[in-house]
Amino acid sequence: AQSVTQPDIHITVSEGASLELRCNYSYGATPYLFWYVQSPGQGLQLLLKYFSGDTLVQGIKGFEAEFKRSQSSFNLRKPSVHWSDAAEYFCAGDLDTGRRALTFGSGTRLQVQP
Amino acid sequence: KAGVTQTPRYLIKTRGQQVTLSCSPISGHRSVSWYQQTPGQGLQFLFEYFSETQRNKGNFPGRFSGRQFSNSRSEMNVSTLELGDSALYLCASSFRGIQETQYFGPGTRLLVL
Repeated sequence: AQSVTQPDIHITVSEGASLELRCNYSYGATPYLFWYVQSPGQGLQLLLKYFSGDTLVQGIKGFEAEFKRSQSSFNLRKPSVHWSDAAEYFCAGDLDTGRRALTFGSGTRLQVQP
Repeated sequence: KAGVTQTPRYLIKTRGQQVTLSCSPISGHRSVSWYQQTPGQGLQFLFEYFSETQRNKGNFPGRFSGRQFSNSRSEMNVSTLELGDSALYLCASSFRGIQETQYFGPGTRLLVL
């Protein structure tokens, strides 16, 4: 079945440390992939997206993600985490292009320690 | 450019009632999609509207319906509310072109008592 998986439910990092959030997808072709961030009680804010081409994509707030076809992964990274990055992060895929229905992972909650 | 707006932001209803949620897309966006977010099921696609027609539908019962107006604004209706309908309902808009991106509103939090 087509799916998006985020293996880590909760991650805690220290402020200033690097961050990597994992995302794997299950799909026969290359999907369109997205990372969104959600602060408590808020909607989803787009961090970055991948459609095709360069496998390393840059986003807002200093985030980047790398698409690896061989590993069916689209991991989100940030070299130095700030306390304001504490939020829930969702990986999503458009796994049936044309249907315009995003399939979301279960989310990773990021906690930042001072 | 203003983002996606949703009204109301919070709602409390009782079982058996019905509710209507509203979504105004980003100016120029003609596609509106709705998602339900719950702690147990996560984010799930409800349906998409484009040119006043429902184009795609997720796996939800017929109690969940929607419509879109000529100005692309959309409403979502849930009839005969159940406790399990308590959720954050998110609306997203897009151009509906190739390689499109969905932009989300702040959501409407519905509590069913």
